[in-house]
Amino acid sequence: DAKTTQPPSMDCAEGRAANLPCNHSTISGNEYVYWYRQIHSQGPQYIIHGLKNNETNEMASLIITEDRKSSTLILPHATLRDTAVYYCIVRPRSNDYKLSFGAGTTVTVRA
Amino acid sequence: EADIYQTPRYLVIGTGKKITLECSQTMGHDKMYWYQQDPGMELHLIHYSYGVNSTEKGDLSSESTVSRIRTEHFPLTLESARPSHTSQYLCASSRDLSGANVLTFGAGSRLTVL
Repeated sequence: DAKTTQPPSMDCAEGRAANLPCNHSTISGNEYVYWYRQIHSQGPQYIIHGLKNNETNEMASLIITEDRKSSTLILPHATLRDTAVYYCIVRPRSNDYKLSFGAGTTVTVRA
Repeated sequence: EADIYQTPRYLVIGTGKKITLECSQTMGHDKMYWYQQDPGMELHLIHYSYGVNSTEKGDLSSESTVSRIRTEHFPLTLESARPSHTSQYLCASSRDLSGANVLTFGAGSRLTVL
């Protein structure tokens, strides 16, 4: 599986957009980029995933560079409830369905 | 709302006791998983199942065992609990979404072994 690199922590202001970077320079053509988040000690929550194209849903937008070596998760209007650990995961489309969670980025939204 | 349920949410027991953590999902998912997470630390996959009568060990070695007799149930058992088993245990199931595998997690079971 491709390895991902995320900053260990970042702060953002409430009401502003939060841009979370992720590097996955060894990603291969059949690997998806997934984003999950974990609020305090709750179970992780799925946010979004993508393969090549940019994606948007009700929670966030995912921007994947043209070479697919990095991506950015955008929370358009961060709220205090978005404070969480955010995980970027790369996994192939295959019969191996396991997901491994790394250290992630601890995002703190400040009032 | 997630349709995956874990019981108990909190459990404090003494060393040597046998415990079973229950996990049930009503979504009809074939694939289910158990993760272990110590406070402030990373999640580690300890068991997974791709269907009834199918169980595999995950990336982190665990003294726990699992069973999958019914699609909706994936219980985890510790035959003799020890303080080193103190941790949070998170159950998940997954579905295919546009070719990707998307996990839904339960709220977790926090185990303390005295």
